[in-house]
Amino acid sequence: NAGVTQTPKFQVLKTGQSMTLQCAQDMNHNSMYWYRQDPGMGLRLIYYSASEGTTDKGEVPNGYNVSRLNKREFSLRLESAAPSQTSVYFCASSSTGMGEQFFGPGTRLTVL
Amino acid sequence: GQQVMQIPQYQHVQEGEDFTTYCNSSTTLSNIQWYKQRPGGHPVFLIQLVKSGEVKKQKRLTFQFGEAKKNSSLHITATQTTDVGTYFCAGPERGAQKLVFGQGTRLTINP
Repeated sequence: NAGVTQTPKFQVLKTGQSMTLQCAQDMNHNSMYWYRQDPGMGLRLIYYSASEGTTDKGEVPNGYNVSRLNKREFSLRLESAAPSQTSVYFCASSSTGMGEQFFGPGTRLTVL
Repeated sequence: GQQVMQIPQYQHVQEGEDFTTYCNSSTTLSNIQWYKQRPGGHPVFLIQLVKSGEVKKQKRLTFQFGEAKKNSSLHITATQTTDVGTYFCAGPERGAQKLVFGQGTRLTINP
């Protein structure tokens, strides 16, 4: 089992460019999450999907969109990247919304 | 909204010293979870506590859940350099399928 995988691992964008971060899990989990972590800071929830077909805003959703493509995959899109979106992005999944979360290795994004 | 606070934010110890981090929630929690993030890594689940007053041990780590199910602690006995990292607590948000994470306690160790 690969667990939670994320692509790409690293990305550099110019201001205004768009990109999609991909996340997939092979644990048959219902819930999936996108967090961002700024240097030396905690985790902030961007969006989550409690189950296939649903998505909800988290703490910092502005500037992002998400798609729960199927039960396995949950993507995060930056439509027009800004330097303030420079961060490490973690995807996570859990069997239930209250249970243990499994995190992916992260995507390190720099916006110039 | 529901908040989870952790103290201290940073802790530096000499190798062999003990370490404790505390977690306090603004609301009663159905469970409390602890995660560890090594420098440059991703958060990894350590343990979940469910019962009021519960105490669990993992080798040198001791986890407690308060009687009121609003606070928790993680205690590490005789720290080792492998304990370096940031420790997060998290609890489920009422009425939502997500966790609320504390800000984390960053532990550094002088060998």
